[in-house]
Order: sequence, then structure tokens, then C-alpha cells
Amino acid sequence: GAVVSQHPSWVICKSGTSVKIECRSLDFQATTMFWYRQFPKQSLMLMATSNEGSKATYEQGVEKDKFLINHASLTLSTLTVTSAHPEDSSFYICSARQGLTEAFFGQGTRLTVV
Amino acid sequence: DAKTTQPPSMDCAEGRAANLPCNHSTISGNEYVYWYRQIHSQGPQYIIHGLKNNETNEMASLIITEDRKSSTLILPHATLRDTAVYYCIVKGTSGTYKYIFGTGTRLKVLA
Repeated sequence: GAVVSQHPSWVICKSGTSVKIECRSLDFQATTMFWYRQFPKQSLMLMATSNEGSKATYEQGVEKDKFLINHASLTLSTLTVTSAHPEDSSFYICSARQGLTEAFFGQGTRLTVV
Repeated sequence: DAKTTQPPSMDCAEGRAANLPCNHSTISGNEYVYWYRQIHSQGPQYIIHGLKNNETNEMASLIITEDRKSSTLILPHATLRDTAVYYCIVKGTSGTYKYIFGTGTRLKVLA
């Protein structure tokens, strides 16, 4: 299957700072990328959908000013958690799809805000 | 997109077939059934998908009932490495094509 890479795999940041997570499709052009958040022992929760060159579409209840998503190229999307707080600590996962094919997921980024 | 219902957990003996059911009684004609699995602390892994016909690949088989209201994912010879949460997702080909995850089935393969 296609490869989607996330970086970093884990990050610890201080409360009030911002952290950027990268998601790259390594061997295909991702027309659509998705960002999810997962809390311990829970399922994945879709945060937003982004199409290359367009503004992201956020799910209800997700603060767009707090979770900035940029999908500037067909192989890269970034999620920036701004002014992070301990409650933002979570496992963040991206996925990417080319056209109407199945989506492939990154390995996830564990964010801990202290 | 249609909603899916899966049992919360299942056990399977190593080497035996694991049959994971999924109910999607409100599925519509153009919606596909996708299966993913998530091993602890990793991103979900694509397994298989289908529309009407049964599908098989190197990982698993997908059996979809004739009325398409339910399906079964079959892992023919489960190994300890198949221990994971398995998600059944129904997704259409129109709109935003979002993948919405339910609670999934936690499969534990026993030695």
C-alpha cells in the first residue's frame, strides 16, 4: 500500500506554545488529507478535511483558529496546534487519499503538553 | 454516510479463522464497505474494501451479504500480530468522502 509519513512521532511542548505536525504522502499525490485526534481507549475523531490548495473544512466543534491546517502541496499537509494546553494532549493521525481511492494513514504523532 | 455496528470485542485462537461481523443496515447503493485495523499506538492500516461482491487479498477476505446490510471480515489464519482494533467503515463516493470511525471491534488473538 501507499506510504504516509508523519513527523514527529512524538513531541512534548510547554503550555502556551505552538507545535507543528507534518504529514507527507511519500509515493503518491494526495488530493485529500484528513486529520484525526484520538484520546486513550477511544476511536479516531475526524477533525478536518483538506484538499490541496483549498481551505480545510473543519468538523463541528473543532476550533479552526486553534488547529491550523495547511495543505499547500499534493504531498504535504501540516497541522499546527496553537497555544497548546494540557487538554490538547492526544494522539494526532493524518491520512491521505488520491482521488477516490482508499485512504492511507500515517503512524500518528503523540503530543504531550506540559 | 451509513452508520456501522460492530461487537466491542472478540477472542480468536491463534491459527484459527477470525470472523469479524459488521452491520450496516442503512447502507445505500453507492456506498462501499471499508475495513481498517489499528494496532496499539499506531495509525490505522487499510485491509480491504468492497461494494457488492466478495473480495479477497493477501490480508483478508470480505464477505458482503446479498442485501448489503452486513458484512464479515475474515482473517483466515489469525496470528498474535493480528491483535488489534478492527474498524468497519461505510463510505460513499460523493460529498466529502470522509472516513468516520465507529468504536470498532477489539480482536484478541490467543496463543
